[in-house]
Amino acid sequence: GAGVSQSPSNKVTEKGKDVELRCDPISGHTALYWYRQRLGQGLEFLIYFQGNSAPDKSGLPSDRFSAERTGESVSTLTIQRTQQEDSAVYLCASRDRTSGSWGFGPGTRLTVT
Amino acid sequence: EDQVTQSPEALRLQEGESSSLNCSYTVSGLRGLFWYRQDPGKGPEFLFTLYSAGEEKEKERLKATLTKKESFLHITAPKPEDSATYLCAVQAGGGSYIPTFGRGTSLIVHP
Repeated sequence: GAGVSQSPSNKVTEKGKDVELRCDPISGHTALYWYRQRLGQGLEFLIYFQGNSAPDKSGLPSDRFSAERTGESVSTLTIQRTQQEDSAVYLCASRDRTSGSWGFGPGTRLTVT
Repeated sequence: EDQVTQSPEALRLQEGESSSLNCSYTVSGLRGLFWYRQDPGKGPEFLFTLYSAGEEKEKERLKATLTKKESFLHITAPKPEDSATYLCAVQAGGGSYIPTFGRGTSLIVHP
């Protein structure tokens, strides 16, 4: 079946601009995560959605970051007034809580110039 | 605070030379431990979930084991195509569904 898809695959933006990243999870996966991965670093948790529950936003690094999810489908991560330190790969993952299996998207590589 | 430490940071093997990667963790009540493979420029690929000490899972040349303090990913007779970064993550109990990731082990298998 289809895996997790993310768009765009690459994004170059100027400092101060807003960007929006999109994630399409695996159908039927109720849990959705956003992670950030800086070059040579581990995965840094950003935000978690589970069904219709309030999202866990505890990993968002600043109020410039926000995310939304429509039901149990598409999610968007928005970064306002981008800074150079926002440059990283943003990964989306979805999980089937029943089976415990995961799917990760290929990521969006964000470069802030 | 939940902690996940992977070792070694990098490992070079000759084709056919078996070895193990380590993931040690400190969590309050383990709900699950996950192993992933990540190729350069790609998202992590899910390999295994382990839930309790003593559990083992296998897939081709990979075998994951779990104790109360650590997990091992054993690679038997590796091939060059096994070269990747292997990530470990743990999910604590107590209502948290957010896995904490280690920094990974970069494995290179030389032909």
